[in-house]
Amino acid sequence: AQSVTQLGSHVSVSEGALVLLRCNYSSSVPPYLFWYVQYPNQGLQLLLKYTTGATLVKGINGFEAEFKKSETSFHLTKPSAHMSDAAEYFCAVSDWGLGTRDTGRRALTFGSGTRLQVQP
Amino acid sequence: DAGVTQSPTHLIKTRGQHVTLRCSPISGHKSVSWYQQVLGQGPQFIFQYYEKEERGRGNFPDRFSARQFPNYSSELNVNALLLGDSALYLCASSGGGQGSLETQYFGPGTRLLVL
Repeated sequence: AQSVTQLGSHVSVSEGALVLLRCNYSSSVPPYLFWYVQYPNQGLQLLLKYTTGATLVKGINGFEAEFKKSETSFHLTKPSAHMSDAAEYFCAVSDWGLGTRDTGRRALTFGSGTRLQVQP
Repeated sequence: DAGVTQSPTHLIKTRGQHVTLRCSPISGHKSVSWYQQVLGQGPQFIFQYYEKEERGRGNFPDRFSARQFPNYSSELNVNALLLGDSALYLCASSGGGQGSLETQYFGPGTRLLVL
């Protein structure tokens, strides 16, 4: 079974400071990894994803994440926090398909989330 | 382009009742997944449908069921509601073709309150 661990349920940074949100995963197969952001009373918005290829992936709103296989990590960073970054962030790993006709990935397993606060 | 749409946005039910939630995927997407997000937690996988067939099921009781229609929209049904079913129910769509099922795009969710 796959799992995701997000260290720190709450992270507080000052505006303009570095944002670092930690994510570690376990997977029995090569993982596909995702970061989603959720603003209050809204659904999930995809920030970025890693599937194959370059291990440093860039996403929207200036966020990026690096896949480190040896550390089973996929930490999310942003060089300079903005007030609008305050939200809940979820790391997720996707599972393999169960069918034989289609080898696409299936269910997402999410971490418990990290709430980012940005102080003025 | 329209994203994933869900209806209703909010719903209040009492214990023992039945509820139906609806989802329309992004145009061209053939797969729909359902997730339950309890307050303060990450979403948990309930079902995935692709081309109208169930392709995955999470660890939820048989009170939960779903189906996908020929136009790829989907319904999630929950019978005999319990207080613990109160949550945000998220629908995600993916898959414009084989190999593109890995990225799921989420709708705004339906917030269900069971009293």
